[in-house]
Amino acid sequence: GAVVSQHPSWVICKSGTSVKIECRSLDFQATTMFWYRQFPKQSLMLMATSNEGSKATYEQGVEKDKFLINHASLTLSTLTVTSAHPEDSSFYICSAHRTVSGNTIYFGEGSWLTVV
Amino acid sequence: QKEVEQDPGPLSVPEGAIVSLNCTYSNSAFQYFMWYRQYSRKGPELLMYTYSSGNKEDGRFTAQVDKSSKYISLFIRDSQPSDSATYLCAMSWANTGNQFYFGTGTSLTVIP
Repeated sequence: GAVVSQHPSWVICKSGTSVKIECRSLDFQATTMFWYRQFPKQSLMLMATSNEGSKATYEQGVEKDKFLINHASLTLSTLTVTSAHPEDSSFYICSAHRTVSGNTIYFGEGSWLTVV
Repeated sequence: QKEVEQDPGPLSVPEGAIVSLNCTYSNSAFQYFMWYRQYSRKGPELLMYTYSSGNKEDGRFTAQVDKSSKYISLFIRDSQPSDSATYLCAMSWANTGNQFYFGTGTSLTVIP
């Protein structure tokens, strides 16, 4: 199946610093990528939809200045958590939209962020 | 009413049992249907993908779509402890639709 790579898998940062998470579609081009947040034993929460070459669309309640999303190419989207605080600690997952031979999305492995 | 409804479980079955996971939906425009498996602390993995109605089989997994009833199912035959995970259904509209609607996930435990 298609592969979406997410990096880093684990990151620990100090409060007040910024952290960047990368999401790459390795074997297909993705005009659209999605970013999610997931708390333990809870379902995926869509944060934003990232479109190549344009501004991301954020879900209600998600601070766009806090969670900066850049989709500079058809294979790479990045999420930067700015001025991180302990409450930002979470599991962040990306997915990439594949439209060749169907209409589906493939997820990255996820990134665990711990802010200390 | 949510677009997609999925019983969260948890569901616990003995090894070797047949597992049936289900989702219902309200939007008749959905054409693409997916099942994902998510292990703890990992990203979801695409298991099955179906377009429109009908059945699709892949090894021990069978996906069914009944558009007339707005109901999709995932069957797991000869369930194994390694099938213990959360299963998410997802669906989308046709063609250019880049909005995907997810169920909340069903937690499955297969007991050896």
